This record gives sequence, structure tokens and C-alpha cells, in this order.
Amino acid sequence: QVQLVQSGAEVKKPGASIKVSCKASGYTFTSYYAHWVRQAPGQGLEWMGIIDPSGGGTSYAQNFQGRVTITRDTSTRTVYMELNRLTSEDTAVYFCARSTATTGTDYWGQGTLVTVSS
Amino acid sequence: DIQMTQSPSSLSASLGDRVTITCRASQGISNYLAWYQQKPGEVPKLLIYTASTLQIGVPSRFSGSGSGTDFTLTISSLQPEDVATYYCQKYDSALWTFGQGTKVEI
Repeated sequence: QVQLVQSGAEVKKPGASIKVSCKASGYTFTSYYAHWVRQAPGQGLEWMGIIDPSGGGTSYAQNFQGRVTITRDTSTRTVYMELNRLTSEDTAVYFCARSTATTGTDYWGQGTLVTVSS
Repeated sequence: DIQMTQSPSSLSASLGDRVTITCRASQGISNYLAWYQQKPGEVPKLLIYTASTLQIGVPSRFSGSGSGTDFTLTISSLQPEDVATYYCQKYDSALWTFGQGTKVEI
């Protein structure tokens, strides 16, 4: 069965960086895009960016340009999201998800809580 | 960037009511629109893609319509398990933007 398993919760200080992982199983890794979406406490879903695991091409939301990097390791079927220069406003649950080009994001990881606090 | 605006932000309806949520794109996106349901403490669930295609396993009381800039999600007969926040998302380009969400209560 399709699974996206994310790394565990983290606490970071302002100004630090975070790297969250998402390990995929149960499907052909390179046939589906991978996304990162975050949700601050009590807020809506915010799309951060996308990677094509086949070629490694990425696209990022304007709000995160220059601060986020999404990468993948095809040998371990893992996608990573690194966010730099953290502030308290980056406190959120971060989700990975997969999609094709036409069908929306049909499977999601369990979410990773990132808390930014001094 | 194309902005996605949902209305209303929240609504309260009775069991069995027909509920309609609207999503408007600031520019045309053809039919590259998905709808998601998120219950408190849960991961978002894909309901509809390409504006009107029901995801496998989603009850038939959910339906979607629209093309271009205006889209709707309809729940034909509201059930207790439909209490959730609903989001639209566009994916006509490499930027997959969400609407701000609509909270549905009974």
C-alpha cells in the first residue's frame, strides 16, 4: 500500500534551519510528484513547493523563494524539505504529499510538527 | 501569481441540507482544480480532481463543477461526518495554490 512516512517532531531556535524527510513506499517513486504543504496552528493549508523525483526539477511558492529547498534521493525513495532562517511564524505541521500532473494530491504523510521557539 | 478565493469562510447548515462552497481563481485555470476535506487533527483527504472527478471511495453526495475561474463543491445532503474544513487547490501550472478554506458546521 502507498505510504509516506515523515521524520519526527523537532524544536528549533529562531534563525536555525530544519530538514524534514518523507520516505515513500508502495508505488513507483519517480512516477509521482512530491509536494510540501504546511499548516500553522489553527490556520489553513499553505502549499510550499513541488519536486519531480524523476528529474529533480522543483518549483516553490513565492512566499518561500530563497528560503526553502526540496530535494530527493531516488536510491532511498526519500524526499526532503529544508527551510532556512526560521522564525516563530514557521511553527507549523509540515506535510509531504504525492500527486500526478492531473489528479491532485491523493496520499499524504502523517505530518511533522516543527516548533520554533527561543 | 493566481489567487484562489473561497466563499463563504464558514457556514452552518442542518443535517440533510444541500451545501455549496465556491472557489474563484483570479485568472483562468481550465479545470485544474481539486477539492480536499480536512477534519480536525487529520490529514487532508482528496475529494475531487479536475474540477468534477470524484476520487475513488468518496461518497456520491459530493460533487464538483466549474471551469475557468469559477468552481463549486456541493454536498447534496449534509451528514454528521461532513463536519470539516474544505479547501480548493489549483494546479494548472507548477504553482499549486490553496484557497483559504471553508469551515462547515452543523
